[in-house]
Amino acid sequence: DIQMTQSPSSLSASVGDRVTITCRASQGVTNYLAWYQQKPGKVPKLLIYAASTLQSGVPSRFSGSGSGTDFTLTISSLQPEDVATYYCQKYNSAPRTFGQGTKVEIK
Amino acid sequence: EVQLLESGGGLVQPGGSLRLSCAASEFTFSNYAMSWVRQAPGKGLEWVSSLSGSGGSTYYADSVKGRFTISRDNSKNTLYLQMNSLRAEDSAVYYCAKNRGYSSSEALDYWGQGTLVTVSS
Repeated sequence: DIQMTQSPSSLSASVGDRVTITCRASQGVTNYLAWYQQKPGKVPKLLIYAASTLQSGVPSRFSGSGSGTDFTLTISSLQPEDVATYYCQKYNSAPRTFGQGTKVEIK
Repeated sequence: EVQLLESGGGLVQPGGSLRLSCAASEFTFSNYAMSWVRQAPGKGLEWVSSLSGSGGSTYYADSVKGRFTISRDNSKNTLYLQMNSLRAEDSAVYYCAKNRGYSSSEALDYWGQGTLVTVSS
């Protein structure tokens, strides 16, 4: 099975900072990669699919890139409402594995 | 707005069974694959199972294969998860989620609020 590894596991950054989270697949998943945001006590929300396509209604400060095995989620200017745990997921085939999550906090 | 409402969670003894339901509305249910994702308390997301829009193709995580069965009734706009031989490690909030397309090889664009399953004696 393909493993999905996110880094870092957590980060603390200041408002306005550029934040980058990486997700690495143990084998290629082409662009079948999604990013989700889960705020504390809330339901996960789709941010990005197909590695780089922004889901409708998601602020443009979020962006995704990558293909194959290496992917990146970038928040161009961190806002207080972005405090959350972020998960990547590969969905090309079963098992449709999630990464372990990256917790983002405000410094 | 798409709505997904899970039900059926609760406390069950190890070895017991539960059936979760997810009532869907405000979209053409049969046109979309559906999935179950779980989250143990304080832990990350774990994909559990998916099935295609027709229900003809089903997929399971190794951790539940042979114990859980995913199904759907497109006439009732409802998704199910039959869970048998439950173990303590199955304790989690179970989310119903809609895939973006007919195939389960699509991201999950809408999620329900979740239903809590607790397996304990």
